[in-house]
Amino acid sequence: DAGVTQSPTHLIKTRGQQVTLRCSPKSGHDTVSWYQQALGQGPQFIFQYYEEEERQRGNFPDRFSGHQFPNYSSELNVNALLLGDSALYLCASSLGIADTQYFGPGTRLTVL
Amino acid sequence: DAKTTQPNSMESNEEEPVHLPCNHSTISGTDYIHWYRQLPSQGPEYVIHGLTSNVNNRMASLAIAEDRKSSTLILHRATLRDAAVYYCILRRAGGTSYGKLTFGQGTILTVHP
Repeated sequence: DAGVTQSPTHLIKTRGQQVTLRCSPKSGHDTVSWYQQALGQGPQFIFQYYEEEERQRGNFPDRFSGHQFPNYSSELNVNALLLGDSALYLCASSLGIADTQYFGPGTRLTVL
Repeated sequence: DAKTTQPNSMESNEEEPVHLPCNHSTISGTDYIHWYRQLPSQGPEYVIHGLTSNVNNRMASLAIAEDRKSSTLILHRATLRDAAVYYCILRRAGGTSYGKLTFGQGTILTVHP
């Protein structure tokens, strides 16, 4: 049973560019949440998708957007990258909004 | 969101029990207590959760104080693989923010051979 998978593993971008990160949920899960983890900090909630709609959003600017597909996989898009966007981006899946979340290994984004 | 307080770091020896404390004095009646851990270079891993009663699973035990203002994650026999950052999180059942997990700084657990 595959767990949560994320791609790519690592990514290097320059300021001003745009990036798309991908997440496939654990088998049977229908909800995807995204988190940003800066070095030495705990993960911070970005947003959550359920039934292809954004259900909750954390304190992140509109440069951060997402999408959920009919197969429950999800994308995180970040526009106009800033140096401060360098972080580990984590995807978590669950069966429903309130169920236990299971995390993927993350995508390490470096913005130069 | 109700806040949790954890020690910044703790140390243990291999094969000894570890008790990781968490204070949550402003917990509400609908807040579940969740524990996650994060090993180096990995995403957080679910450990255990509970509401009022003590809980056990294959990974750990969760002891919840009678007034629910504190809880303790118990690793019965620490191994080197248990070295990680442990996060205690309150997750509300219902309301406008119940879907998200709010992580703090966590406790860095070091296990000595």
